[in-house]
Amino acid sequence: EIVLTQSPATLSLSPGERATLSCRASQSASSSLAWYQQKPGQAPRLLIYGASNRATGIPARFSGSGSGTDFTLTISSLEPEDFAVYYCQQRSNWPGTFGQGTKVEIK
Amino acid sequence: EVQLVESGGGLVQPGGSLRLSCAASGFTFSPYTMFWVRQAPGRGLEFVSGISSNGRATYYADSVKGRFTISRDDSRNTFYLQMGSLRVEDMAVYYCARERGGYYFDFWGQGTLVTVSA
Repeated sequence: EIVLTQSPATLSLSPGERATLSCRASQSASSSLAWYQQKPGQAPRLLIYGASNRATGIPARFSGSGSGTDFTLTISSLEPEDFAVYYCQQRSNWPGTFGQGTKVEIK
Repeated sequence: EVQLVESGGGLVQPGGSLRLSCAASGFTFSPYTMFWVRQAPGRGLEFVSGISSNGRATYYADSVKGRFTISRDDSRNTFYLQMGSLRVEDMAVYYCARERGGYYFDFWGQGTLVTVSA
């Protein structure tokens, strides 16, 4: 089973700053990696699939990159509504695994 | 508009049973693989169980094998999670989700809370 390790656990930033979130896989996950955003009391929302494809309705400030074992979610300029927890998820064998999450909090 | 609506959560004693339902609308249900994902209080996301479009393939997390059963009724656009021998560690918000591309989840329900307590 592929283990996904997200870093940092918490990212403290101000609105307008750039956020860079990392997701590292213990073995190659090819490009089958997704990112989700979750706000308190809400269900997760799909942001990125296929490592770099934005889901429907996701603003362009969200971008994903990487392949193999190292993946990155970048938020180019944080909006107030972007402060949340972000999870990566991969498919190695069905259904895959989730990372433990990165919390993006207001500094 | 795609909607997934869970129901059936609640308070149950250890060893008890519950059946969760997820009603789908706004899309053709039968071709999709569907999943249950749970989140314990203050914790991350965990796959619980999934069922393929034809119902022939199912997935269960090791922690629930032999205790939970997933099923679907395409005529009702609904799938289910029958949970038995519930444990305190099963306490969580249970989300249903639609799988796409063989691995990612593009729509999620709002979640239903399962509380296991004496």
